[in-house]
Amino acid sequence: AQTIHQWPVAEIKAVGSPLSLGCTIKGKSSPNLYWYWQATGGTLQQLFYSITVGQVESVVQLNLSASRPKDDQFILSTEKLLLSHSGFYLCAWRGTFNQDTQYFGPGTRLLVL
Amino acid sequence: GDSVTQTEGQVALSEEDFLTIHCNYSASGYPALFWYVQYPGEGPQFLFRASRDKEKGSSRGFEATYDKGTTSFHLQKASVQESDSAVYYCALGGSSGSWQLIFGSGTQLTVMP
Repeated sequence: AQTIHQWPVAEIKAVGSPLSLGCTIKGKSSPNLYWYWQATGGTLQQLFYSITVGQVESVVQLNLSASRPKDDQFILSTEKLLLSHSGFYLCAWRGTFNQDTQYFGPGTRLLVL
Repeated sequence: GDSVTQTEGQVALSEEDFLTIHCNYSASGYPALFWYVQYPGEGPQFLFRASRDKEKGSSRGFEATYDKGTTSFHLQKASVQESDSAVYYCALGGSSGSWQLIFGSGTQLTVMP
């Protein structure tokens, strides 16, 4: 069975500080990986997706960047946090077949002060 | 572009009531349609999906039927329980190469004992 782990569980950071959030998928080879952002009480907005190591496509940047250093790992980062970055960050994976379902991780709660 | 509309922002019911959450979509072709459920502090959980006209998806007593004629995928449950209280999202599988999931605005379901 596939498992998805996100770290950290929660962060409180200062405006202007750097950020790195991680996501690891186990039990699935070469998954498609996704980052989503969810404002408190809001819907999910896809930020980035990756179909293979080293390749990341941006959907909505929000002054963030993403990287895929390993087949099972997806990283979201920024050098300078903004207040607007606060929210819930979700990693998701899906298989490589067309119209496969996306499955979400437990999320990371970020508060920028 | 593709879009998903959920008309009810909040639904309040009593246990054993009948539930309907409306979902309408706008897209070309035959997009896959999904329902996800999100509990507080957690990532969305996949409920079920449908990929073609008149196909019914179901899980945990919830069901929805893909209707291309009315471009709808309404969520229903015959008898809700307090444990069903959560936010429900309708989503559409986009036709782009990213296999982007486009989410509706979500419906907060509150079931009172």
